[in-house]
Amino acid sequence: DAGVIQSPRHEVTEMGQEVTLRCKPISGHDYLFWYRQTMMRGLELLIYFNNNVPIDDSGMPEDRFSAKMPNASFSTLKIQPSEPRDSAVYFCASSPGRTRYYTFGSGTRLTVV
Amino acid sequence: ILNVEQSPQSLHVQEGDSTNFTCSFPSSNFYALHWYRWETAKSPEALFVMTLNGDEKKKGRISATLNTKEGYSYLYIKGSQPEDSATYLCAFNAGGTSYGKLTFGQGTILTVHP
Repeated sequence: DAGVIQSPRHEVTEMGQEVTLRCKPISGHDYLFWYRQTMMRGLELLIYFNNNVPIDDSGMPEDRFSAKMPNASFSTLKIQPSEPRDSAVYFCASSPGRTRYYTFGSGTRLTVV
Repeated sequence: ILNVEQSPQSLHVQEGDSTNFTCSFPSSNFYALHWYRWETAKSPEALFVMTLNGDEKKKGRISATLNTKEGYSYLYIKGSQPEDSATYLCAFNAGGTSYGKLTFGQGTILTVHP
């Protein structure tokens, strides 16, 4: 298995632009998570899905952030409009079950200028 | 808000030293405790998932213990090697409606000097 695949690896965009991050989880994993890593807050959960259904989006910072999982093999995290404070590394992770390991993707480093 | 604390924040040891660090988490509503190893410029990799009070897990020179009643877990590395240098993260999985999500600590940064 290729693991959790995220794209792009790096994204540089101007303030106000729309940004879409993509994630392909490991086949058979029922859970998908979006995390954001910053120096100040460490790894913080933004949203997670179980069987493609959003379960908890309480970590999504504000309405500018949205996430979808149209099928079991694909999820997107969209920021519109982007702001400089959104600059961070965004990780996607998947897991086959609640007490099972998370497998993380390589992350997308987002820079908003 | 769940509070997951790790200590120390950073640690420098010499090659061959044994070391340990601590993860503190809420003692109520426990479901599972995860440990991950995170090397610079890579993504976190799973070490252990622990669910039972008194659990002990081992992988090579790394081992972990769990005390759910008092809300702590220890990670031990025996005979540290430079390749053990990484950030070690613990993550708490609560019961109830938070059944899927992990709350991560800030990590312990380990540097092993040759």
